[in-house]
Amino acid sequence: EDQVTQSPEALRLQEGESSSLNCSYTVSGLRGLFWYRQDPGKGPEFLFTLYSAGEEKEKERLKATLTKKESFLHITAPKPEDSATYLCAVQAAGANSKLTFGKGITLSVRP
Amino acid sequence: KAGVTQTPRYLIKTRGQQVTLSCSPISGHRSVSWYQQTPGQGLQFLFEYFSETQRNKGNFPGRFSGRQFSNSRSEMNVSTLELGDSALYLCASSVWTGTGHEQYFGPGTRLTVT
Repeated sequence: EDQVTQSPEALRLQEGESSSLNCSYTVSGLRGLFWYRQDPGKGPEFLFTLYSAGEEKEKERLKATLTKKESFLHITAPKPEDSATYLCAVQAAGANSKLTFGKGITLSVRP
Repeated sequence: KAGVTQTPRYLIKTRGQQVTLSCSPISGHRSVSWYQQTPGQGLQFLFEYFSETQRNKGNFPGRFSGRQFSNSRSEMNVSTLELGDSALYLCASSVWTGTGHEQYFGPGTRLTVT
């Protein structure tokens, strides 16, 4: 069974204090690893899809990386508006569009 | 391009009733998936439809069902509602871009069962 574990559950940062969010996974053939951002009361917002170990993608202050067992979401010099829950999900080969999600990491950035 | 839309946004129902939720995917997207999100279990996959056919199903009881129409719009139905069905129900539409897979979520329908 596909599994996704995210750590830590919650993270509090000072504005400008860079950090990384971890996503560990086990999947029967990875087709893609997805990162989403979710604000309270809203649907998840698509950030990145990574497909193979060694791949990296960037968007503003966010950079996602992928290895064969885990993915990291690096946040450089975060701002208060980066506060949200960050979700990681895997798509297994042969699973069509089904995503298996982790429980998410709640990030709070203090001014 | 308009995003994924879901109606209604909020719903309050009583135990034993049934409910139908609607989802309109992004134009051109033929795959629609449904997820249930609760504080305890997080996001859990319900089912996926592609070209009006269900091609994947999660581990939910038969009270949860869905369908997709020829215009790709989708509905999900929950019969004989239970208190535990209270959740945020999210719809996502997917597309293969040629270089990768992208899946976008709607704002969700907040269902409260009393």
